[in-house]
Amino acid sequence: KAGVTQTPRYLIKTRGQQVTLSCSPISGHRSVSWYQQTPGQGLQFLFEYFSETQRNKGNFPGRFSGRQFSNSRSEMNVSTLELGDSALYLCASSLEGGRGYGYTFGSGTRLTVV
Amino acid sequence: SQQGEEDPQALSIQEGENATMNCSYKTSINNLQWYRQNSGRGLVHLILIRSNEREKHSGRLRVTLDTSKKSSSLLITASRAADTASYFCATEVFGGATNKLIFGTGTLLAVQP
Repeated sequence: KAGVTQTPRYLIKTRGQQVTLSCSPISGHRSVSWYQQTPGQGLQFLFEYFSETQRNKGNFPGRFSGRQFSNSRSEMNVSTLELGDSALYLCASSLEGGRGYGYTFGSGTRLTVV
Repeated sequence: SQQGEEDPQALSIQEGENATMNCSYKTSINNLQWYRQNSGRGLVHLILIRSNEREKHSGRLRVTLDTSKKSSSLLITASRAADTASYFCATEVFGGATNKLIFGTGTLLAVQP
């Protein structure tokens, strides 16, 4: 079966702009989680969507938002970009939101803010 | 903030040797998972151990879990150059709106051919 697809792979944006990242989960998986990875803070949970509803949210400012569509594809949006938003953004797909069955991660989108 | 701390931060060994990395966490968990990451790419799920399990094997991987000490270890036996990667432990806690992975700081493993 196809894996988790994240697009685009790389992105360069200017401070103040906004960006939208996309994640297509494994077919049949209803949960999509997003994580941010930076050298300083490591891997941090952003939010989880399950059946089009945000079920859980990490400790990030409101500039970070997301949504999930009826086909389980998810997008995350970052508005008013700051230099500190430069990171690898990973999405994780799971059947029911982990629950002991593990997650499948995409290859990530590397965002650089200049 | 991260819950897990991993030790060592970096490890360099020769091909064929065993590699052991340790993870400590802070709160009660439902399970602990190990992931591998190659050169800033996506995370690959390696193995999951539930809180009522003490040891688990998968191929060349052996994971132990000590919930009384809130710690876990990952052993990779007979390492290969292809095992060169960063390894992360991640804890999962079920219940309500708290279902998410909390990652450790990672161990960078370099296997010299």
